[in-house]
Amino acid sequence: EPEVTQTPSHQVTQMGQEVILRCVPISNHLYFYWYRQILGQKVEFLVSFYNNEISEKSEIFDDQFSVERPDGSNFTLKIRSTKLEDSAMYFCASQGGANLGTQYFGPGTRLTVL
Amino acid sequence: QKEVEQDPGPLSVPEGAIVSLNCTYSNSAFQYFMWYRQYSRKGPELLMYTYSSGNKEDGRFTAQVDKSSKYISLFIRDSQPSDSATYLCAISNSGYALNFGKGTSLLVTP
Repeated sequence: EPEVTQTPSHQVTQMGQEVILRCVPISNHLYFYWYRQILGQKVEFLVSFYNNEISEKSEIFDDQFSVERPDGSNFTLKIRSTKLEDSAMYFCASQGGANLGTQYFGPGTRLTVL
Repeated sequence: QKEVEQDPGPLSVPEGAIVSLNCTYSNSAFQYFMWYRQYSRKGPELLMYTYSSGNKEDGRFTAQVDKSSKYISLFIRDSQPSDSATYLCAISNSGYALNFGKGTSLLVTP
């Protein structure tokens, strides 16, 4: 069964450093998302991406964040200058064209900012 | 007022019991209703999807949406220890950005 994959599973970085989180969505899906989950809190929407552009973003997704689909398979989230409060699980999700709302999540990348 | 409210539990039931999990929401524009299951330190796994109102059944799982009360439910019949996880409701008006509840922790004891 096709699944969303994410790398790395755990990323440790120093405050102020740039990180890139990588995702490979399900191959025939059209919509791509990033969410985050701070430990003990709910899953929060960051950004949605369709047709090579951002279609929606939350207040969390400020100028420190960017997304890219550099080729036909990868989808990346870049955080330019990490802060302590960026420490969280970051989940990538993808969705096919039908059945809006049916997003399939990857296993997540745990980001720890020291 | 929070957009999606969910009792965090924990909820502990014996194996074989019927489990009822619920969420309330505040935005009447929501029309996509999903239930996800999340095991510890894993990604959410889509269980059920409902558009608009009504009931949907899939095996041991039944999802109900009551838009007049802004209330959604997930029922699990014949619960198994492997059902022990955190159950997240997720709601959307557009079908794109999902608003998650905080999740209800369920423990099914043998």
